[in-house]
Amino acid sequence: AQSVTQPDIHITVSEGASLELRCNYSYGATPYLFWYVQSPGQGLQLLLKYFSGDTLVQGIKGFEAEFKRSQSSFNLRKPSVHWSDAAEYFCAVVPLFSGGYNKLIFGAGTRLAVHP
Amino acid sequence: SAVISQKPSRDICQRGTSLTIQCQVDSQVTMMFWYRQQPGQSLTLIATANQGSEATYESGFVIDKFPISRPNLTFSTLTVSNMSPEDSSIYLCSVAPTGTEQYFGPGTRLTVT
Repeated sequence: AQSVTQPDIHITVSEGASLELRCNYSYGATPYLFWYVQSPGQGLQLLLKYFSGDTLVQGIKGFEAEFKRSQSSFNLRKPSVHWSDAAEYFCAVVPLFSGGYNKLIFGAGTRLAVHP
Repeated sequence: SAVISQKPSRDICQRGTSLTIQCQVDSQVTMMFWYRQQPGQSLTLIATANQGSEATYESGFVIDKFPISRPNLTFSTLTVSNMSPEDSSIYLCSVAPTGTEQYFGPGTRLTVT
């Protein structure tokens, strides 16, 4: 079945440590790929996106993501986490041939906690 | 990108009543979307609202329960009708100004008692 999977529901890291959030997708053709962040009580902010080309994508707030076709993955990384990065992170896809409009499909989300 | 505002930011409503949520964008956009985020859950698309056409609803959502208006290219409303506690959620609108990535409003937090 077509799906977006974020295997980790909760992740806790120490401030200054590196971070990797996992995202896998299951679609016949590589979809458009996105990472969003939702801070407590806030809407969603687009961190980065991948459509084609260079498989390492740079985003805002020091985040990057790497597309790996062989693993159907689009993992989000940050070399050094700040306390303000504590939030919910959503991986999302727009499947190609999604009926003529951009149907954004979200993963379940990963809640990130940052210890001082 | 686009700057999106929603009204109200939050509300507490009694069951059986209806609430209309407004979404305003700072630029003209063709494609606008409405999502629901139930407590502790991810986002689910309710419907796509393109100006000049009827809204397209996703499976599990019907127009009688969630009527949508799209009178112009900068504004849309979503009504949650005959509310029950199960409708308690965050409702978000989004736009796709370039036709691909979506930008979201701050959301409306609805509690039904």
